[in-house]
Amino acid sequence: QVQLVQSGAEVKKPGASVRVSCEASGYTFTSYYMHWVRQAPGQGLEWMGVINPSGGSTSYAQKFQGRVTMTSDTSTSTVYMEVSSLRSDDTAVYFCAKDGSGIPGMDAFDIWGQGTMVTVSS
Amino acid sequence: DIQMTQSPSTLSASVGDRVTFTCRASQSIGSFLAWYQQKPGKAPNLLIYKASSLESGVPSRFSGSGSGTEFTLTISSLQPDDFATYYCQHYNTYSQTFGQGTKLEIK
Repeated sequence: QVQLVQSGAEVKKPGASVRVSCEASGYTFTSYYMHWVRQAPGQGLEWMGVINPSGGSTSYAQKFQGRVTMTSDTSTSTVYMEVSSLRSDDTAVYFCAKDGSGIPGMDAFDIWGQGTMVTVSS
Repeated sequence: DIQMTQSPSTLSASVGDRVTFTCRASQSIGSFLAWYQQKPGKAPNLLIYKASSLESGVPSRFSGSGSGTEFTLTISSLQPDDFATYYCQHYNTYSQTFGQGTKLEIK
């Protein structure tokens, strides 16, 4: 079955970086874009950006440009999302989510990873 | 940027009730609108896409309607498993915007 499996919880100090992975299975990895969404404790959903696993082109939300990097590894069907210069307000659950279409923006997110809790604390 | 506004923030209802959630866009978005259900500690689950298309496997008591700037999600007869938070999402090529969510509580 189609599934996305994310890496485990992380605890980081302010100023550090964190990298979260998302391994896809059950579909053609390179045919669908992958999005990243985060959710701070008790808050709503915030879109961070999207990557084309085939070729690695990216588009980031303006808020995260310069601080977030998304990459892909087609050999392992895994996408990565790295956040640098972490602050306390980056404490959140980070989700990867598969685009339902081969063209970003043309469909909703049909499959989500289980989420990765990132805690930023001194 | 397009803003998505959901109302109400919280909705109290009983099993068997018919409930409706509203999502408004700050400008016309055609039918590029999805609805998700999220339970505590879980990832969101896609219910409706293209404003009114039911995702495979989602019970038929869920339905979506609307276009342009005003959209609704209706649950025809609430079941115990439906108490959760519901988010709308506008999707397009360059950005994705979620509403702030509506929490559905047991009355």
